[in-house]
Amino acid sequence: DIQMTQSPSFLSASVGDRVTINCKASQNINKYLNWYQQKLGEAPKRLIYNTNNLQTGIPSRFSGSGSGTDYTLTISSLQPEDFATYFCLQHNSFPFTFGSGTKLEIK
Amino acid sequence: EVQLVETGGGLVQPGRSLKLSCVASGFTFNNYWMSWTRQAPGKGLEWVASITNSGGSTYYPDSVKGRFTISRDNAQNTLYLQMNSLRSEDTATYYCTRDGPGIFDYWGQGVMVTVSS
Repeated sequence: DIQMTQSPSFLSASVGDRVTINCKASQNINKYLNWYQQKLGEAPKRLIYNTNNLQTGIPSRFSGSGSGTDYTLTISSLQPEDFATYFCLQHNSFPFTFGSGTKLEIK
Repeated sequence: EVQLVETGGGLVQPGRSLKLSCVASGFTFNNYWMSWTRQAPGKGLEWVASITNSGGSTYYPDSVKGRFTISRDNAQNTLYLQMNSLRSEDTATYYCTRDGPGIFDYWGQGVMVTVSS
């Protein structure tokens, strides 16, 4: 199985900050990497698919990059509504696996 | 508008069975693979099962293989998850997802399953 190591687990930042969240796969996942945002009590929402494709309706301050085993989600200028938990997902091969999550909190 | 509505959750004793349903609307159901993903309370996400658009092939992680069965009724736009031999570690919120381009593009609101005596 492909293991997804996500970092950091917790991130404290201020409105307007630029933040990055990382996921490292245990093997090459060929850019089959998605990012999700989840707010308390809600279902996850897809932000980015296949490394760098922005989901329709998602603000352009969200972007994704990476290749091989290393992937990054960047939020260019944090807004109040961005404070949430973020997960990565690899779908290169079964079983699909998620990162453990990054909780983004207000500083 | 894509909508996925899960039902069928609840409290069940260990070793018993439960069947979840997910009714889809707002898209052509039989054009898409579908999946189930779960989240234990306060924990991360775990993929549980996927099914091709025709229902001809299914996929599971080892944690549920042989106990869970995913199926679909394309005439009724409905996805199912039959869960047998339930264990306490199956306690989670179960989400129905559509596997659009890049997979898991839309999620239902989730349904809670609690396995406890």
